[in-house]
Amino acid sequence: GAVVSQHPSWVICKSGTSVKIECRSLDFQATTMFWYRQFPKQSLMLMATSNEGSKATYEQGVEKDKFLINHASLTLSTLTVTSAHPEDSSFYICSASWRANTGELFFGEGSRLTVL
Amino acid sequence: AQSVTQPDIHITVSEGASLELRCNYSYGATPYLFWYVQSPGQGLQLLLKYFSGDTLVQGIKGFEAEFKRSQSSFNLRKPSVHWSDAAEYFCAVGAGNTDKLIFGTGTRLQVFP
Repeated sequence: GAVVSQHPSWVICKSGTSVKIECRSLDFQATTMFWYRQFPKQSLMLMATSNEGSKATYEQGVEKDKFLINHASLTLSTLTVTSAHPEDSSFYICSASWRANTGELFFGEGSRLTVL
Repeated sequence: AQSVTQPDIHITVSEGASLELRCNYSYGATPYLFWYVQSPGQGLQLLLKYFSGDTLVQGIKGFEAEFKRSQSSFNLRKPSVHWSDAAEYFCAVGAGNTDKLIFGTGTRLQVFP
């Protein structure tokens, strides 16, 4: 099956710094990728839809200036958490659309962010 | 608006026993329905999906799910659970013209030997 890879798997940073998380589709081209946030023992909350070559679409309540998303190529989307604070600590997961508008998504392994 | 409810937060079964995880959805039209499994610290893996047609859907790892429109349900079943099935299971619903999925809160499955 299709493979989606995230990097880093986990990262620890100091409060006030910025952290970039990469999401790559390894064996297919993804015009659309999605970023989710998952709190401990909770479900996935969709943060934004990342479209190649255009601005991301953010869900209500998600700060676009805090969570910068760039989808510069058909195989790479990045999520940058700017000026991170401890409340930004979470598990961030990306997914990529295998075939557009079918709901068939492949998920990355997730990236655990801890902000000290 | 779409929504998904997984009533059971935590289920414990013995290895070899049968399993049913419940999922109820709310959606105006015919939904696209999915079950995903997540192992600790990992991303999600698709178990099975329903788009249309036969309401009993077969998935990987011996799982199946049945779409019941009258009950707005899409319950996941497995006749005999293996210890390796212990994980978090998420039901999700999507519209036909988008890849945006709404996830339920998940059911944590624990399997005892």
